[in-house]
Amino acid sequence: NAGVTQTPKFQVLKTGQSMTLQCAQDMNHNSMYWYRQDPGMGLRLIYYSASEGTTDKGEVPNGYNVSRLNKREFSLRLESAAPSQTSVYFCASSATKNTEAFFGQGTRLTVV
Amino acid sequence: DQQVKQNSPSLSVQEGRISILNCDYTNSMFDYFLWYKKYPAEGPTFLISISSIKDKNEDGRFTVFLNKSAKHLSLHIVPSQPGDSAVYFCAASAIGSQGNLIFGKGTKLSVKP
Repeated sequence: NAGVTQTPKFQVLKTGQSMTLQCAQDMNHNSMYWYRQDPGMGLRLIYYSASEGTTDKGEVPNGYNVSRLNKREFSLRLESAAPSQTSVYFCASSATKNTEAFFGQGTRLTVV
Repeated sequence: DQQVKQNSPSLSVQEGRISILNCDYTNSMFDYFLWYKKYPAEGPTFLISISSIKDKNEDGRFTVFLNKSAKHLSLHIVPSQPGDSAVYFCAASAIGSQGNLIFGKGTKLSVKP
């Protein structure tokens, strides 16, 4: 019963390095999302994908790119990491609108 | 400007009593509201939701109330248990959105034995 799986769980990057956060869901959900959580800020939407082959910007997309590789997988890429991207990143998926979203366990990213 | 507001960063209640967590919103296009619970180092987990066509939804110890005219919703937990201690997030999605959730900043609930 995996649900939403994110890798890695922890990562430390140097400023300017790149990396990709991976996310996969096994619930056959159409929609997938990437959020970041910062202290005192709640969760903010970075990018989302309403269906395979489509992606759209959320509230805080600058500095990120995404790929909806197939229905199961939705990756988030940082091309040139900055200290302001230090955060906890959550991937989520939902079946349709007006159904609950299921979240992964998060990736704690530190950019030094 | 925040569309979903949780104005109480923290709440402390005694075990067995009622916990009431509040949430206000500004966007009249929101049509679906959810509450999530989050423990440290874990992802948020879904608790309960309510559609804008309803004013109440119950699930066991959890009840969500929606007052559309006041743009206000609340989560009631009765009776509160120490295991309920966590951060609670209110979230909403809008008509015409793809299910994107807008979150409040959260309220940290502490239930004392």
